[in-house]
Amino acid sequence: DTAVSQTPKYLVTQMGNDKSIKCEQNLGHDTMYWYKQDSKKFLKIMFSYNNKELIINETVPNRFSPKSPDKAHLNLHINSLELGDSAVYFCASSQLGGGVSDTQYFGPGTRLTVL
Amino acid sequence: AQSVTQLGSHVSVSEGALVLLRCNYSSSVPPYLFWYVQYPNQGLQLLLKYTSAATLVKGINGFEAEFKKSETSFHLTKPSAHMSDAAEYFCAVRDGGFQKLVFGTGTRLLVSP
Repeated sequence: DTAVSQTPKYLVTQMGNDKSIKCEQNLGHDTMYWYKQDSKKFLKIMFSYNNKELIINETVPNRFSPKSPDKAHLNLHINSLELGDSAVYFCASSQLGGGVSDTQYFGPGTRLTVL
Repeated sequence: AQSVTQLGSHVSVSEGALVLLRCNYSSSVPPYLFWYVQYPNQGLQLLLKYTSAATLVKGINGFEAEFKKSETSFHLTKPSAHMSDAAEYFCAVRDGGFQKLVFGTGTRLLVSP
């Protein structure tokens, strides 16, 4: 029973294309996140949604657009893909307001390769 | 803003030896600190977290970490390394009210027979 799932696991595409990554959590959490892990393994938050509302929006190019149709889903759409977008993208979820120390649960990641 | 620094991008130990992975934090308020592990080609899994309840925190797989305010440190230890501990380890601090995690640069643990 996967708690946080992402599709696809691998995504290989050409520069200039538009692609989407989907994330779903079955933990009943109200907050979801997108993180980017670069080739040096550095992890950085991109976005966070709480109850379908954007609450964290780091300095990310506006080619990246998150969408949360409901509390259990957070998708990431990327327009006009560039070589530098190649990375592993992780989705995570937690329960905001359930305690300041609440754990974030991570998905398995989507490895995006832009050629 | 809160931040963490992990000293050593790679740590090599022999099986059965002590594991020590270092993490120092910078925070203007009492920090909430985490250690995550990432096995090859997998997502991140929480090892343990510090939430000010106790300075010595025990986690999964025999790992523990001690919060030392005087040293602004939260080092991860395990008395005896196992081959299956080989992975990337990330220290993180919660930054702000929305549970944003700020990660360190990671330490790769290599375990040799």
